Amino acid sequence: GNSVTQMEGPVTLSEEAFLTINCTYTATGYPSLFWYVQYPGEGLQLLLKATKADDKGSNKGFEATYRKETTSFHLEKGSVQVSDSAVYFCALSDPGGRRALTFGSGTRLQVQP
Amino acid sequence: DAGVIQSPRHEVTEMGQEVTLRCKPISGHDYLFWYRQTMMRGLELLIYFNNNVPIDDSGMPEDRFSAKMPNASFSTLKIQPSEPRDSAVYFCASSLLAGVGTDTQYFGPGTRLTVL
Repeated sequence: GNSVTQMEGPVTLSEEAFLTINCTYTATGYPSLFWYVQYPGEGLQLLLKATKADDKGSNKGFEATYRKETTSFHLEKGSVQVSDSAVYFCALSDPGGRRALTFGSGTRLQVQP
Repeated sequence: DAGVIQSPRHEVTEMGQEVTLRCKPISGHDYLFWYRQTMMRGLELLIYFNNNVPIDDSGMPEDRFSAKMPNASFSTLKIQPSEPRDSAVYFCASSLLAGVGTDTQYFGPGTRLTVL
């Protein structure tokens, strides 16, 4: 079946540090890949997505590149801010047509001033 | 658009009571999903609907859980009887399928359920 593996958190960084959150996946076929972010007390919000190999999704300074050869979709940001503190979820859509998303376990990011 | 609307935002109830969670999807979306989030199990898909028809309910934990979608703008998730282990945040999400790569799901703010 499909699965998503994320690095364990929490990840604690100082403001303006470089961020990488690793995400790898297992799926048959060619899923779409997503990063969602959850701020405290809120629902999940789409951060970025990529629909095919070598696509780069980007939003709010965050980027992730769909790497088919390594089945990865790592999230990066060059300079994090305190306001980026949240839980980040990597997810994939079922290429077989089942419309539900498969989520990773989430990675909590804490940015200190 | 107001986004996905869920009610109530918080629910505290006693074991054995019936609980009903409500969701209004984004207008025009043809898929609706119910998820449960706990510290132990993360985000789990419970059930999803397409055009008001349940498509996959394999994630519903047991018969105490039921979900309905009587029309395109309303869905309920019911737990009867509730148990303390049902305590979690329940999310509703909706999406519009218009082709490859359009699987973006839009989440509501969630209902935090506490069963005492």
